[in-house]
Amino acid sequence: AQKVTQAQTEISVVEKEDVTLDCVYETRDTTYYLFWYKQPPSGELVFLIRRNSFDEQNEISGRYSWNFQKSTSSFNFTITASQVVDSAVYFCALGPQSYNTDKLIFGTGTRLQVFP
Amino acid sequence: KAGVTQTPRYLIKTRGQQVTLSCSPISGHRSVSWYQQTPGQGLQFLFEYFSETQRNKGNFPGRFSGRQFSNSRSEMNVSTLELGDSALYLCASSLAVRGEGNIQYFGAGTRLSVL
Repeated sequence: AQKVTQAQTEISVVEKEDVTLDCVYETRDTTYYLFWYKQPPSGELVFLIRRNSFDEQNEISGRYSWNFQKSTSSFNFTITASQVVDSAVYFCALGPQSYNTDKLIFGTGTRLQVFP
Repeated sequence: KAGVTQTPRYLIKTRGQQVTLSCSPISGHRSVSWYQQTPGQGLQFLFEYFSETQRNKGNFPGRFSGRQFSNSRSEMNVSTLELGDSALYLCASSLAVRGEGNIQYFGAGTRLSVL
């Protein structure tokens, strides 16, 4: 069965702190994709990153960085020097390398609150 | 380029009624997926359409149905509404490139309240 676990339900930090959101996944597929989405209070899910299971290279984009470790089935997300605007619910998702579906399996999300 | 557009944004219905939600995908996107988001169950996949055909379906009762038109626009319908159908319904579209983990872009959702 495919499953995504985000054990952290809610995290609160003070502005400028670094914060890491954890994501652990389960799949029997040899090839798959992992995603992170952000959901601000407006409700729209905003795409942040996609990672192919073959590509374990870590990635940094501005204040965001992602650590993909296939050996531990984890795809963690770090925000450096957090800002109030980072407050949102963050979802990790597992997707197929499939020829007939884009279906995503989502984790339960981590609510991040950044206080000034 | 316009994003995914969902209408209406908010909807209030009573038990037993039916409702239709609309989704216009990003121009050029051929696949449309629907998800239900509730506090208790989180984000759950409803169904997915490509070239006017349903190609995948989640574990929801037959009261939930959908369709896709030739211009890729999609609608979903829920008949005989129940209180538990109250949720945020999200639509997502993708380019549907074969063999890739296609990025899905989401709309702002339709928040349905069933009284």
